[in-house]
Amino acid sequence: DSGVTQTPKHLITATGQRVTLRCSPRSGDLSVYWYQQSLDQGLQFLIQYYNGEERAKGNILERFSAQQFPDLHSELNLSSLELGDSALYFCASSGPATQETQYFGPGTRLLVL
Amino acid sequence: DQQVKQNSPSLSVQEGRISILNCDYTNSMFDYFLWYKKYPAEGPTFLISISSIKDKNEDGRFTVFLNKSAKHLSLHIVPSQPGDSAVYFCAASAFPGTYKYIFGTGTRLKVLA
Repeated sequence: DSGVTQTPKHLITATGQRVTLRCSPRSGDLSVYWYQQSLDQGLQFLIQYYNGEERAKGNILERFSAQQFPDLHSELNLSSLELGDSALYFCASSGPATQETQYFGPGTRLLVL
Repeated sequence: DQQVKQNSPSLSVQEGRISILNCDYTNSMFDYFLWYKKYPAEGPTFLISISSIKDKNEDGRFTVFLNKSAKHLSLHIVPSQPGDSAVYFCAASAFPGTYKYIFGTGTRLKVLA
C-alpha cells in the first residue's frame, strides 16, 4: 500500500459526459501528479501540482483540467468524453524531501461507451 | 516520438537466474531515471533509481546500470523469483524541480518456477 488513495476504482460513462477523479496523496506529500495509461501504452504525464499550484504540464487535453485543494487532495476533471479517453488514470505523490520518487495510487479505470 | 523505449515487450526467465530488463532513451538531457514494477490491478511501485552522475546503483537483488554514452540503462534482478513476475517500466526526467517523468511502454517479466 503506497498510501495514495484514488476514487472511484472503476467508472463507466457515456460519450459527451463529464467525470471527476479524486486523489488523496500520502500524508505529508505536497506534490500530486496525474498520468494516463491507455491500452498497451506507457504512462503519459498529464499535470503536476505542488502545494496547490500548477507546477508542470504534459500532454493534457483542453477538455481535461485538474486542481489541488488546500487539504492537498486533487481532482482531475474530464469533460466532453470521447471513446479514446478510456484508460487507466493514475495519481502519484511525492514528498518535499524525496521529490524525485513518486508513489502511485491504484488507479481509476475509466470506460467511455 | 518515443523518448524512452523498452524494446522487449516480454521476457521469461527461470527462477534463480538473472533477469535483465533494458531501456533506451534519446534525450541527452535526461538526468534521473527510475524503475517501477506494476502488478495487475495495482499502481506502479517504485523499485530503484539512478542519477546521471552515477553508472550503477544497487538495492538488494536489484541493480540498475546506466551507460550515458549509449543512452541505455538496464535493470538486473538476481536471483529472479516468481514474485518478480510483473510489468517493469523505466522512466526518465529532464525537468529539475518538476520531476515530469517520461515512461517507457513496459516489459512484462515472467519468472518460471
